[in-house]
Amino acid sequence: GNSVTQMEGPVTLSEEAFLTINCTYTATGYPSLFWYVQYPGEGLQLLLKATKADDKGSNKGFEATYRKETTSFHLEKGSVQVSDSAVYFCALSAPTGTASKLTFGTGTRLQVTL
Amino acid sequence: KAGVTQTPRYLIKTRGQQVTLSCSPISGHRSVSWYQQTPGQGLQFLFEYFSETQRNKGNFPGRFSGRQFSNSRSEMNVSTLELGDSALYLCASSPWGGRREGTDTQYFGPGTRLTVL
Repeated sequence: GNSVTQMEGPVTLSEEAFLTINCTYTATGYPSLFWYVQYPGEGLQLLLKATKADDKGSNKGFEATYRKETTSFHLEKGSVQVSDSAVYFCALSAPTGTASKLTFGTGTRLQVTL
Repeated sequence: KAGVTQTPRYLIKTRGQQVTLSCSPISGHRSVSWYQQTPGQGLQFLFEYFSETQRNKGNFPGRFSGRQFSNSRSEMNVSTLELGDSALYLCASSPWGGRREGTDTQYFGPGTRLTVL
């Protein structure tokens, strides 16, 4: 079956530091890949997505590239802010034509300090 | 467009009771999925509804059920509540649930926090 593996957290960084959160996946076919972010007490917000190999998703300074050869979708940001403190989830969606279902990683908590 | 809305935001119930949660998808979205989030199990898929029919179901007991109405609004019901059902229940909608290319992105509501005492 499909699965997503994320690096364990928490990740603690100083403001303006570089961020990488690793994500690898196992799936049949060609899934779509997503990063969602969850702020305390809230639901999930879509951060970015990529639907095919070599696609780069980007939003609010965050980027991730769909690497089929390494089955990875690592999240990066060049300079984090305190407001980026949240839990980040990597997820995949089964290929088109099947029922809609997201498979999530365990989440990585990011804490950014001044 | 308004986002996904869920009501109520918070619920407190006792063991053995039943509960109904409601979800209104983004206008025009026909697919609604439900997820359970707990500290121990993370985010787990419950089921998906599309055109008023359950299309996919996760590995949850029959106490968890749902339905979808003709306007795509969905409800989820949990009967005979157990302590372990305490969780954040998230609803997500997507245009076609992946049934057309490029339509599998899911947008989440704020969730309903259920506490079972």
